[in-house]
Amino acid sequence: SQQGEEDPQALSIQEGENATMNCSYKTSINNLQWYRQNSGRGLVHLILIRSNEREKHSGRLRVTLDTSKKSSSLLITASRAADTASYFCATDKGQAGTALIFGKGTTLSVSS
Amino acid sequence: EAQVTQNPRYLITVTGKKLTVTCSQNMNHEYMSWYRQDPGLGLRQIYYSMNVEVTDKGDVPEGYKVSRKEKRNFPLILESPSPNQTSLYFCASSIKGNEQYFGPGTRLTVT
Repeated sequence: SQQGEEDPQALSIQEGENATMNCSYKTSINNLQWYRQNSGRGLVHLILIRSNEREKHSGRLRVTLDTSKKSSSLLITASRAADTASYFCATDKGQAGTALIFGKGTTLSVSS
Repeated sequence: EAQVTQNPRYLITVTGKKLTVTCSQNMNHEYMSWYRQDPGLGLRQIYYSMNVEVTDKGDVPEGYKVSRKEKRNFPLILESPSPNQTSLYFCASSIKGNEQYFGPGTRLTVT
């Protein structure tokens, strides 16, 4: 069962531009996480935002969470070529706390 | 160095030949999970474990088995692999409610 759905599926931008990805989910959550995956490699955790938080920052990353709309967004500012990757949002199933459900991801391409 | 290791990284096998993919973490995490990643389908959870001897099915458990006899290890067993289990597999570990640490992945091909 797919919980998180990212939008857009693919995004192409120039270096220096900002990239915004959105995630929508269906049921209540404890937290929402964003991960990055470089082609065919393991996922790397970017940021976790809890259900009682509205915004969180980490370096060039800004994540917002709107539990009333069941949506989250990931903003990457001043993108670099090294940001080229797939980005996934993941929500927990609530009961287990760490049984994550991933969306299908947004593929970001940053060209120099 | 904190890490999750998986072995083998690449495996080509034939239908019906039992195989085990090992996963080990050195962070003393209670939670461990297995996922498979397929084009167009994203990551889907196969099984997860909340502690030693405690496991539960994820979204796509059919054709897989797991065991958690030690806290650090969480092997994935395919008793009779079939071509539809050709996929990229990831193991992950975490403390409850926190970020998951992923292994490097195991690319499995079943012919």
